Amino acid sequence: DAGVIQSPRHEVTEMGQEVTLRCKPISGHDYLFWYRQTMMRGLELLIYFNNNVPIDDSGMPEDRFSAKMPNASFSTLKIQPSEPRDSAVYFCASSSRQGIGEKLFFGSGTQLSVL
Amino acid sequence: GENVEQHPSTLSVQEGDSAVIKCTYSDSASNYFPWYKQELGKGPQLIIDIRSNVGEKKDQRIAVTLNKTAKHFSLHITETQPEDSAVYFCAAGDSGYALNFGKGTSLLVTP
Repeated sequence: DAGVIQSPRHEVTEMGQEVTLRCKPISGHDYLFWYRQTMMRGLELLIYFNNNVPIDDSGMPEDRFSAKMPNASFSTLKIQPSEPRDSAVYFCASSSRQGIGEKLFFGSGTQLSVL
Repeated sequence: GENVEQHPSTLSVQEGDSAVIKCTYSDSASNYFPWYKQELGKGPQLIIDIRSNVGEKKDQRIAVTLNKTAKHFSLHITETQPEDSAVYFCAAGDSGYALNFGKGTSLLVTP
């Protein structure tokens, strides 16, 4: 298995632009999570899905952030408009209860820089 | 909600020494406590976990202890090696599907 795949690895954009981060979870996993990592706040859970349905989006910082999971193999996190304070590493992770328990498998992350 | 505190934020040890990282949590309903290791440029990876019905768990040079009464748990790495250098995160949750992470400990093992 290729693991959780995120794209792009790096994104540099200007303030006000729309940013779209992409994630492909591990096949067969029915939970998908979006985390944001910063030095100040560590790893923050933004939103998670179960069977493509958003379960908890209380961590999404503002209306500028939105996430979708149109099917079991793809999810997006969109920021519109982006701001410099959105600069962080964004991780996608997936998990399944089937024999693995609660182990999260993380992607390699997207390093976002908003200038 | 759950609040996880992790200490220290940085830790430097000499190769062969032991390293201990401590975490506390606030929600008594939490029953799952994993530890993740993050190497530079990569996502966190699970290295060991413990559930509330167990007080200690060991896997080779890594061990985790849990004190539910005091609401704290610790990671112990013995005979440290340079490849143990990384950022370590503790986490706590009551379902595993909404884990709350500590802010991380940057461990440096010097030869």
